[in-house]
Amino acid sequence: AQSVTQPDIHITVSEGASLELRCNYSYGATPYLFWYVQSPGQGLQLLLKYFSGDTLVQGIKGFEAEFKRSQSSFNLRKPSVHWSDAAEYFCAVGPMNKLVFGAGTILRVKS
Amino acid sequence: EPEVTQTPSHQVTQMGQEVILRCVPISNHLYFYWYRQILGQKVEFLVSFYNNEISEKSEIFDDQFSVERPDGSNFTLKIRSTKLEDSAMYFCASSVGQGIYYEQYFGPGTRLTVT
Repeated sequence: AQSVTQPDIHITVSEGASLELRCNYSYGATPYLFWYVQSPGQGLQLLLKYFSGDTLVQGIKGFEAEFKRSQSSFNLRKPSVHWSDAAEYFCAVGPMNKLVFGAGTILRVKS
Repeated sequence: EPEVTQTPSHQVTQMGQEVILRCVPISNHLYFYWYRQILGQKVEFLVSFYNNEISEKSEIFDDQFSVERPDGSNFTLKIRSTKLEDSAMYFCASSVGQGIYYEQYFGPGTRLTVT
């Protein structure tokens, strides 16, 4: 069965510091992987997605993620965090008609 | 930019009551979805809907749940007799197509509280 694990419930980083949010997945076939962000009062917004090809994918807002098949991971990174990045981040796997989400990681940014 | 909207943002209902959650998908989208997130737990897929039919549903989506597209713009989720464990955030989503290249656009969610 498909599953997604986000080991960190909360992460706090200083503004300007680098960020890495972890995501591990379990999927029977070639995974389709996604990162979504949810700001308070907003819907889930797609940051980036991986289907195939280059394992390092670039997304919006300066985010990137790297697919590592050997580690079943798809970690999200950003070199320099801005205060506006404070939000909840969700990793998801699966075909587009039935996404399986992780529990989310809440990112706090301190100035 | 077009967006998915959901109403109400927060609904409080008593156990056993029927509740209808409303969504307005993006106007040219053809595929519609409901997900839910119980507080502190994962976002879970409930159902997908296309061409006035359910195309896929999860084991959570039992006979207490139904979906409908009553007109050209709304997409609703009905829970017939709410239980305490139905308390959750419910997200609606829509997409132009269904496949790896079609992004699902999510609404802001409706928080349902069953007392």
